Amino acid sequence: RKEVEQDPGPFNVPEGATVAFNCTYSNSASQSFFWYRQDCRKEPKLLMSVYSSGNEDGRFTAQLNRASQYISLLIRDSKLSDSATYLCVVAYNTNAGKSTFGDGTTLTVKP
Amino acid sequence: GAVVSQHPSRVICKSGTSVKIECRSLDFQATTMFWYRQFPKQSLMLMATSNEGSKATYEQGVEKDKFLINHASLTLSTLTVTSAHPEDSSFYICSARTSGNEQYFGPGTRLTVT
Repeated sequence: RKEVEQDPGPFNVPEGATVAFNCTYSNSASQSFFWYRQDCRKEPKLLMSVYSSGNEDGRFTAQLNRASQYISLLIRDSKLSDSATYLCVVAYNTNAGKSTFGDGTTLTVKP
Repeated sequence: GAVVSQHPSRVICKSGTSVKIECRSLDFQATTMFWYRQFPKQSLMLMATSNEGSKATYEQGVEKDKFLINHASLTLSTLTVTSAHPEDSSFYICSARTSGNEQYFGPGTRLTVT
């Protein structure tokens, strides 16, 4: 079983739709959580950190459920420019701060 | 967010030559940087953790004598692919870690070995 698991998708949604991605992690010692987006042939870019209290940034909402060990990302009012691969990332303060990346969920927003 | 640069962005070299890739954190100091490799349509694969002032920690299956890492300062790590072969052709990406465990990635280096 992978340490961080994501539904690979692809998710194909129309513009304006709301879409949610889930991610589960297996190491209960995990301490930091992030969502990144990666466009084709580009480097990953930090989208948002995920806090226990949940956090929102415009159309994006991230939530963390430590008891169930999952993280979610909700995108409201999808735009064409949201099309990308979304990576769930879990980091540990031990193990030299190494992060574990999920394999990513691919989103395509269509007109 | 923080800025990480990577140079060169693209390199084509002949089989048997060595290639050096530089990764710099431009606006923060990073005691830890990471080197990843990504093949087309595949996930990021962590190659090694680069620690300033000490030896790099390599992931299982990554040859340390082939992929030389030097973390010379708090803002610079280099990856040298020695005696490159066509199977080393890939997208190499570095990242620098902040004190808050966030990783900021360089724009990547696309290596083609002919």
